[in-house]
Amino acid sequence: DADVTQTPRNRITKTGKRIMLECSQTKGHDRMYWYRQDPGLGLRLIYYSFDVKDINKGEISDGYSVSRQAQAKFSLSLESAIPNQTALYFCATSESGGAQETQYFGPGTRLLVL
Amino acid sequence: QKEVEQNSGPLSVPEGAIASLNCTYSDRGSQSFFWYRQYSGKSPELIMFIYSNGDKEDGRFTAQLNKASQYVSLLIRDSQPSDSATYLCAVNRDGATNKLIFGTGTLLAVQP
Repeated sequence: DADVTQTPRNRITKTGKRIMLECSQTKGHDRMYWYRQDPGLGLRLIYYSFDVKDINKGEISDGYSVSRQAQAKFSLSLESAIPNQTALYFCATSESGGAQETQYFGPGTRLLVL
Repeated sequence: QKEVEQNSGPLSVPEGAIASLNCTYSDRGSQSFFWYRQYSGKSPELIMFIYSNGDKEDGRFTAQLNKASQYVSLLIRDSQPSDSATYLCAVNRDGATNKLIFGTGTLLAVQP
């Protein structure tokens, strides 16, 4: 089984709809991240969480919210989806460990907002 | 100036050749540097990381770091068609949070 899973893998929604992307991990890591990837813009950090009670905004958090329901679960919500949120979304995890801390990525969710 | 810069490519090399991928970064306080490989439509997967000046080798891959020049590179020896992918450079510039800043990636095409 995959260490980091994301659901759904693909999603088509309409402008104004609320949607949730879910991430689960079995790696036992304390830190979790949400990124979006757009052609030509690379990976950009939306939110990150170092613990269930520690959630922080990344560089592009506007229009998004998150919930860390448990050590192993981190969900990303789009309260009112808009077309420019069409992107590939990745969840990542890491174990706190200094400069060598390495992030491991889930398989991604491809989101299309019409 | 972007915090992490990579040539978008494509970089085309013949099978068996050495592929050289380059990355520059703007923050002199950056502590560690990561190379990820990403196949089209797939998630990034870690190849290796480096945090000390010099070379670090892992199989066919060698990472090179020069902090004075703010430059990190990845060499792939004996390139194979299966190495064709986008290579992402990521920089940890904040030791307190260890957040990564990613470059936009270099597309490598290995020609059989």
